[in-house]
Amino acid sequence: DAKTTQPTSMDCAEGRAANLPCNHSTISGNEYVYWYRQIHSQGPQYIIHGLKNNETNEMASLIITEDRKSSTLILPHATLRDTAVYYCIVRAGFGGNEKLTFGTGTRLTIIP
Amino acid sequence: SAVISQKPSRDICQRGTSLTIQCQVDSQVTMMFWYRQQPGQSLTLIATANQGSEATYESGFVIDKFPISRPNLTFSTLTVSNMSPEDSSIYLCSVEEINYGYTFGSGTRLTVV
Repeated sequence: DAKTTQPTSMDCAEGRAANLPCNHSTISGNEYVYWYRQIHSQGPQYIIHGLKNNETNEMASLIITEDRKSSTLILPHATLRDTAVYYCIVRAGFGGNEKLTFGTGTRLTIIP
Repeated sequence: SAVISQKPSRDICQRGTSLTIQCQVDSQVTMMFWYRQQPGQSLTLIATANQGSEATYESGFVIDKFPISRPNLTFSTLTVSNMSPEDSSIYLCSVEEINYGYTFGSGTRLTVV
């Protein structure tokens, strides 16, 4: 798996958009960008993934740069329940039963 | 997405003993993955459990310390053997789903005293 770099921690005001950056400069052509989050004492939760186009679902949006060397996860209206550690992971697509390699992630704190 | 049940959710164990953690999935899956999360750390993959064959262990993890069973496509166990305080961690099982990525169990919080 390609290595990713994320800021160690971030704060965001409740109700504002939280923008979490991720650098993955060595990503290869067949690797997707995945985002997971882990709320304290729970198992990681899948958020979103993408290859090269921007993606949006009910939880978040994923913006991938044209050169695919970096991406941003956007939580449009952050709530206190979004306080968690967010992991950006790159690997080949689903179905290959390939392992996920977790980095250190970004600890996001939503401020009331 | 798949529902994963892990048991026990937490335990406090004496050093030198062993604990077996169970992971039950509500659908058939080819591979199940076991992770360890030490206090304040990220997740580290221990091994990949295939049905009908021996588990594949990551560097730094050995079968004698973490034996794994995978008797069918919906169930797996991880045993933490001859425990020491350094084994105090959260242990998580995980499966891959085509449309949902990886789904994780809620974890087993182990404290070794």
